Amino acid sequence: DTEVTQTPKHLVMGMTNKKSLKCEQHMGHRAMYWYKQKAKKPPELMFVYSYEKLSINESVPSRFSPECPNSSLLNLHLHALQPEDSALYLCASSQVVLAGEAGELFFGEGSRLTVL
Amino acid sequence: AQSVTQLDSHVSVSEGTPVLLRCNYSSSYSPSLFWYVQHPNKGLQLLLKYTSAATLVKGINGFEAEFKKSETSFHLTKPSAHMSDAAEYFCVVSDPAGGSYIPTFGRGTSLIVHP
Repeated sequence: DTEVTQTPKHLVMGMTNKKSLKCEQHMGHRAMYWYKQKAKKPPELMFVYSYEKLSINESVPSRFSPECPNSSLLNLHLHALQPEDSALYLCASSQVVLAGEAGELFFGEGSRLTVL
Repeated sequence: AQSVTQLDSHVSVSEGTPVLLRCNYSSSYSPSLFWYVQHPNKGLQLLLKYTSAATLVKGINGFEAEFKKSETSFHLTKPSAHMSDAAEYFCVVSDPAGGSYIPTFGRGTSLIVHP
């Protein structure tokens, strides 16, 4: 199984709502990532978890709250978002560095978020 | 700090003609380099990767890339474009700067294939 599964595929929420994005992988990867991607732009790194611990937070606003409950799951909790947060949110996983070489990223298909 | 430059925002080719997508990188280490493809409204898929083994790397769907350290380049090529190759392509560099291999993405190159 080389899949990263993201749910929901589409999400529309108001600025006062609370919602969550979910990501799951069963490849035994111990690094998991959240990226935000705007149209016609490259993915922007938001968070990195390594061995279920938050290792990188790229100065993301606190209205985005990540959670890694176990080695297969990654959540992104959303609260009080702004319209400019509308984007494609991508989850990825990889092996932690092996023998000094970066592991490839396996991406999910993304959750397209629209904030009204 | 690592960086990557994709020299073309758009590349337009006719079906059956060669494809060249250009990528230059900067790194203080021996980096790992990747090309990913993204079709509309989809996630990213790995095409190929270079990790200090052979400098000519073959990937999926007939793509290949050559690592040239002297030119700090990792250009992506394909001998004959197919309509299904139309997509966004990202060159990615990753090195151990700061103690972790965090990937840095290029801005992307949109490949347009004409019939």
